[in-house]
Amino acid sequence: GESVGLHLPTLSVQEGDNSIINCAYSNSASDYFIWYKQESGKGPQFIIDIRSNMDKRQGQRVTVLLNKTVKHLSLQIAATQPGDSAVYFCAEGGSNYKLTFGKGTLLTVNP
Amino acid sequence: NAGVTQTPKFQVLKTGQSMTLQCAQDMNHEYMSWYRQDPGMGLRLIHYSVGAGITDQGEVPNGYNVSRSTTEDFPLRLLSAAPSQTSVYFCASSYSPNRVGNTEAFFGQGTRLTVV
Repeated sequence: GESVGLHLPTLSVQEGDNSIINCAYSNSASDYFIWYKQESGKGPQFIIDIRSNMDKRQGQRVTVLLNKTVKHLSLQIAATQPGDSAVYFCAEGGSNYKLTFGKGTLLTVNP
Repeated sequence: NAGVTQTPKFQVLKTGQSMTLQCAQDMNHEYMSWYRQDPGMGLRLIHYSVGAGITDQGEVPNGYNVSRSTTEDFPLRLLSAAPSQTSVYFCASSYSPNRVGNTEAFFGQGTRLTVV
């Protein structure tokens, strides 16, 4: 079946550096892609999304890039802060809203 | 506005027992869904609903039942608990993803279930 995967299970960065978290997807029919942040003991929290007709979208300190040619999605976090430490999931969805999640990347920000 | 509320937060069951995980949302969202989260597996969709009276199976539906009698509530029932159902369960709700700018799903805080 279709699945969403992540290239790196863990990522460690210094405070103030930029972070890039990558995700590969295989369902070319997906309409939208979402990044979620999950802190320990909490439910996933929406960060940013992007539709399949876009290749870039920016939010506050975050940018999502979508490359449909190679089925690749990335989340860039600028000036990473200790509060950004969490597990980050990418998810893909279509019109039936059956979200498929990747396994997650653990981001650790070192002070 | 409470968002998505899940109860209980923690539960221990014996094998063979049944129970219902409650989920309620006050955002008038059409879509509601249940996921389970296991280490190294990410979140996997159990069941989902696109509106009151309509439910469908997700990726891992066996051993679980759902119903959607109202827009607000989407309970998940474990019919006969098994150790393999030990997991963290999350309920989520959202508007239709076809609404422009509304793909965000709001998640509850989770229910940590242990089956012994």
